[in-house]
Formats: sequence, C-alpha cells, structure tokens
Amino acid sequence: EVQLVESGGDLVQPGGSLRLSCAASGFTFGNYWMIWVRQAPGKGLEWMANIKPDGSEKYYVDSVRGRFTVSRDNARSSLHLQMNSLRAEDTAVYYCARGLSSAHYFDYWGQGTLVTVSS
Amino acid sequence: DIQMTQSPSTLSASVGDRVTITCRASQSISSSLAWYQQKPGKAPKLLIYKASTLQSGVPSRFSGSASGTDFTLTISSLQPDDFATYYCQQYNSYWTFGQGTKVEIK
Repeated sequence: EVQLVESGGDLVQPGGSLRLSCAASGFTFGNYWMIWVRQAPGKGLEWMANIKPDGSEKYYVDSVRGRFTVSRDNARSSLHLQMNSLRAEDTAVYYCARGLSSAHYFDYWGQGTLVTVSS
Repeated sequence: DIQMTQSPSTLSASVGDRVTITCRASQSISSSLAWYQQKPGKAPKLLIYKASTLQSGVPSRFSGSASGTDFTLTISSLQPDDFATYYCQQYNSYWTFGQGTKVEIK
C-alpha cells in the first residue's frame, strides 16, 4: 500500500526556517517525481515544488523560489522541503504527493502537515 | 502563467442530480488537465487525468471532457459521498490549480 507521511510542521516566527519531511513507503520511491502542494486555511490548492526521481531537476512556484528548497533521499525514501525566510502568507497545510507521467498529475497524497508563521 | 478559472464556486445539488463543473484555461493546454476531489480535512484524490481518463478505482459516474480551453467534470448521478470540493489542475506549463468548486447539499 502506498503511504506518504509528512512531518515537521510547526509554529514559526516570520523570517524563521523550517524543514518538512515526507516518508514514503509501498512503492519504489526512486522511480517517481515527487511534489509539494500547500493549502492555506480555507483556501484552494497551490503547487509548490517538484523534484525529478534522481533529484537532477527541480521546479518551484515563483512565490517560494529562492526561499524554499526541495530535496530527496532515495536510499531512505524520503522527501524534504527546506523553508527559509518564512512569511505569514506561507501559513498552510503542506502536502507531499507522488507524480505520475513525469509529475504531470498526482495520484497519492499524504495527510498534510500544518505550518503556521506568526509572531 | 496559465490561469485556471472554475465555475461555479459553489453548487447546491441533491442526491441523484446531474452535476457539471467547468474549468477554463487562460491559454491552450491541450488535454493536460486533471480533476481532484477533496473532502474537509482530507488530502485531495485524483479523479481524472488527460482531461477525460478516469483514474483507477474512481466510479464511472464521474467523467471529463474538453472543448478548446474549456474543460468539464460531470457527475452523472450525485451520490452522498460526492459532496466535496473539486479542483481542476493544468500541467501543460508548470502546474496550476483552479480555485475550487464546492458541491453542497441542496
């Protein structure tokens, strides 16, 4: 059974940093694109970042490029999102997801982890 | 950037109704469109990809179609489990979600 479990969400002050993780199981992690999507409270879904199976390609939404870094450890079947210079508007539930067809669409999602940026 | 505009934002319907949700792309995206269902407090679930291909395990009452830059998600006979929020997502150029359509009980 495919499982994705996010962790690392917390309350952090503006300007602070946080590292999210996503533990994957039930599939060959190193064969798939992985994705981060977030959802602000009461709002819609926003794609954040993608990373290629071998980690050689990464894509970011404009609003986080230069502040967030996606990475992966295929040996440990884990995905990470390093978030720096956090802003109040980064407050959201962060989901990791598995990509199909070169990450065009996302077939399995984790349950999400809440990041709150507030003083 | 490609913008995705869904309509309506909210839809009130009854069990058994035929429901249609529309998503319009700001430019051509070919058939690079997926639909997701999300229930409160839960992760999204993939329903349809390539505009009209049903994801494995999704009931056949769900269907998708495309006409130019307009895409439609249809639920042929609304079931109690279908009350949720639906999102379209383009993947022709980067990835963008629509703002969502909430299907609520009439």
